[in-house]
Amino acid sequence: QVTLRESGPALVKPTQTLTLTCTFSGFSLTTSGMYVSWIRQPPGKALEWLARIDWEDDKYYSTFLRTRLTISKDTSKNQVVLTMTNMDPADTATYYCARSYGSGTYHPDHWGQGALVTVSS
Amino acid sequence: SYELTQPPSVSVSPGQTARITCSGDALPKKFASWYQQKSGQAPVLVIYEDSKRPSGIPERFSGSSSGTMATLTISGAQVEDEADYYCYSTDSSVVFGGGTRLTVL
Repeated sequence: QVTLRESGPALVKPTQTLTLTCTFSGFSLTTSGMYVSWIRQPPGKALEWLARIDWEDDKYYSTFLRTRLTISKDTSKNQVVLTMTNMDPADTATYYCARSYGSGTYHPDHWGQGALVTVSS
Repeated sequence: SYELTQPPSVSVSPGQTARITCSGDALPKKFASWYQQKSGQAPVLVIYEDSKRPSGIPERFSGSSSGTMATLTISGAQVEDEADYYCYSTDSSVVFGGGTRLTVL
């Protein structure tokens, strides 16, 4: 059974750096064709893709946010970490991690429940 | 930047067919996927690679694509299908559509 769970601070202050951890089970990020992505959703708004990392440690970022994002993995812990610098109230959102496997479209097929992050002083 | 455009809302009566469209310039050469998101829940994949249905998704959900438009069809929509639906595709970037609120009443 594939599961993913996001963890991190619920509240961050403007200009701070956000660090979110995705802990997963039921698959390995060393398996060929495996990917984990981060996606966010501001309250009442649409989904926005942020970043993806694959089994070979290749990393891909949103064009609009690439200067603020870093994605990394720890395969021994089955974790993927996302950092986002210089947080702003506009970054208030539910942040999801999600898995993709074996598809050139990279469509996520399993999602975590999401972690709400509020940016406020 | 690549964009996918969806209607903000679609409304049908129970038992009717609901069709949700997604338009994008790259769709003639790129697959579309569809996600259902009920209030307060994480998205669930209902269609991938234009028309494939994951295991556990009811047969009333189907997908198609022609030219620059992909379509999610729910045949005989049920009250429990009321949700936000997002299309997804990749070109030079990964993109979700703006979402469509499906009302079934």
